[in-house]
Amino acid sequence: AQKITQTQPGMFVQEKEAVTLDCTYDTSDQSYGLFWYKQPSSGEMIFLIYQGSYDEQNATEGRYSLNFQKARKSANLVISASQLGDSAMYFCAMRANTGANSKLTFGKGITLSVRP
Amino acid sequence: ETGVTQTPRHLVMGMTNKKSLKCEQHLGHNAMYWYKQSAKKPLELMFVYSLEERVENNSVPSRFSPECPNSSHLFLHLHTLQPEDSALYLCASSQLGVQEQYFGPGTRLTVT
Repeated sequence: AQKITQTQPGMFVQEKEAVTLDCTYDTSDQSYGLFWYKQPSSGEMIFLIYQGSYDEQNATEGRYSLNFQKARKSANLVISASQLGDSAMYFCAMRANTGANSKLTFGKGITLSVRP
Repeated sequence: ETGVTQTPRHLVMGMTNKKSLKCEQHLGHNAMYWYKQSAKKPLELMFVYSLEERVENNSVPSRFSPECPNSSHLFLHLHTLQPEDSALYLCASSQLGVQEQYFGPGTRLTVT
């Protein structure tokens, strides 16, 4: 079974500063993928970034980067140069790379508020 | 229309009503999903359709009935729901073999 843990309370960051959102995971699979999604108040889940378990380098997508530490089973999201529009819920998720179906397991999410 | 669309965006229904949620993806994907998001709980996968066949049903009560008439459309038929079924219902799609799923804006369902 897979499990995603996001335990941070609501996070606050000053505009233009960087923020790290924590995610730890548990799985017995050898091959898996890790994802971060953003959910603004409108409800839509927006895909941000993906990290494969065998990727040697940390994934980056614009202002988003994923700090992947496989031995510690952590996949923290780093948002650089925060913007007011980054205020949202952020969900960490994982998927085992077995079978043809992309079943995602989500964490409970973290609320990020960006202050002007 | 682009991406994944869902209608209606908001729905209020009584426990004896029958309604349907609709999802449409314009991305050429071949897998579609229904998720339930309740307050203060992680997203729960409900159903998975792969190449228009249901491949997963996560112990969802029979009062929820999915339908996938083609690779672009997915429905969730609702009947005799309970107040605890009130939640945000999210549809997603993906291309088999590609990692990420793309979500629609969701339907906010309230059962009275």
